[in-house]
Amino acid sequence: SQTIHQWPATLVQPVGSPLSLECTVEGTSNPNLYWYRQAAGRGLQLLFYSVGIGQISSEVPQNLSASRPQDRQFILSSKKLLLSDSGFYLCAWSVSSGEQFFGPGTRLTVL
Amino acid sequence: QQQVKQSPQSLIVQKGGISIINCAYENTAFDYFPWYQQFPGKGPALLIAIRPDVSEKKEGRFTISFNKSAKQFSLHIMDSQPGDSATYFCAASMLSGNTGKLIFGQGTTLQVKP
Repeated sequence: SQTIHQWPATLVQPVGSPLSLECTVEGTSNPNLYWYRQAAGRGLQLLFYSVGIGQISSEVPQNLSASRPQDRQFILSSKKLLLSDSGFYLCAWSVSSGEQFFGPGTRLTVL
Repeated sequence: QQQVKQSPQSLIVQKGGISIINCAYENTAFDYFPWYQQFPGKGPALLIAIRPDVSEKKEGRFTISFNKSAKQFSLHIMDSQPGDSATYFCAASMLSGNTGKLIFGQGTTLQVKP
């Protein structure tokens, strides 16, 4: 069966520090991968998606970047965090049937 | 035209009642409509999904009703239970594209009172 992992689960970082969030998927090959951000009590904002290794599409201009160094690994990064980067970051994967499955999320607090 | 509008924003239902959440879309190219359930501090979980070739899909107490001509779809939760208290998101996607991108509604917070 397929499994999606995200780490860390929670993170507290100072403004201006770098960020690296990791997502890995098990049990499937060549998935589409997605990064979302969810502000407190709000909806899901798609940040990046990837249809293959090295292929990254950005949905909104921002302080973040994404990379996909391996088929089932998706990384979200920032060189300098802003207060507005705080939120709940969710990784998800999908295959051709359209079903999209979310990871457990990373709670990021920027102070 | 890429938006999915969801209502109501919040909903309070008595235990045993029916919860109804509605969504509307504009893009007629959408051909996949899932619903997600999210508990606080957790990732959204796929609940049920429908494609436009059927008007209704039922899984246990959860039913999606789909009205293609009105470009609307809704989630019905029968015999609502306190354990159903969560945030629900509708979404839409074009399976014909290879991105699998979902366009999400704004979410509905459901509270089921015992």
